[in-house]
Amino acid sequence: AQSVAQPEDQVNVAEGNPLTVKCTYSVSGNPYLFWYVQYPNRGLQFLLKYITGDNLVKGSYGFEAEFNKSQTSFHLKKPSALVSDSALYFCAVRDPYSSASKIIFGSGTRLSIRP
Amino acid sequence: DTAVSQTPKYLVTQMGNDKSIKCEQNLGHDTMYWYKQDSKKFLKIMFSYNNKELIINETVPNRFSPKSPDKAHLNLHINSLELGDSAVYFCASSPGDRTNEQYFGPGTRLTVT
Repeated sequence: AQSVAQPEDQVNVAEGNPLTVKCTYSVSGNPYLFWYVQYPNRGLQFLLKYITGDNLVKGSYGFEAEFNKSQTSFHLKKPSALVSDSALYFCAVRDPYSSASKIIFGSGTRLSIRP
Repeated sequence: DTAVSQTPKYLVTQMGNDKSIKCEQNLGHDTMYWYKQDSKKFLKIMFSYNNKELIINETVPNRFSPKSPDKAHLNLHINSLELGDSAVYFCASSPGDRTNEQYFGPGTRLTVT
């Protein structure tokens, strides 16, 4: 069965510093991986995805993520954090061999950027 | 020009009542979803429809019944509301290809008293 884990409930970073939000997954075969962001009282917004090809994918708002098959990870990164990046971040995985289009979301990581 | 819209945004009701939440998407997507986000922000899929056909039906009490009158609409009806149903309910849509991301509505905050 597919699963996804976000080991950190909260990540605190100073503005201007690099940030990393961790995600690991478990799925048979090659996964489809996604990152979403949720601002307070809003729905989730898509940031980026890995389907195939280059392991480093770039997305919205300067975020990027690296797919690492050997470590079954898909960590979200940004070289220089902004206060406006403070939000709840969800990693998600979809089994490409599943007959139904079901995405499994991680438990979320709250990112807090201090000025 | 809202992509995925939900009504109402807030819903406060008493235990035992029946209520509905409506969702509409104007993106031309084939697939629509209902998710429940609990107080700890954990997000869980409830249902998914593809071209009006139910394709995902998670372990959800049968008090919850989705209805898709056409592929642009997916409504959620809840009978005999319970305190534990209090949560934020999100509608989402995506193109049929499973490589595609989902587009979420703004959410409906349901409070059962």
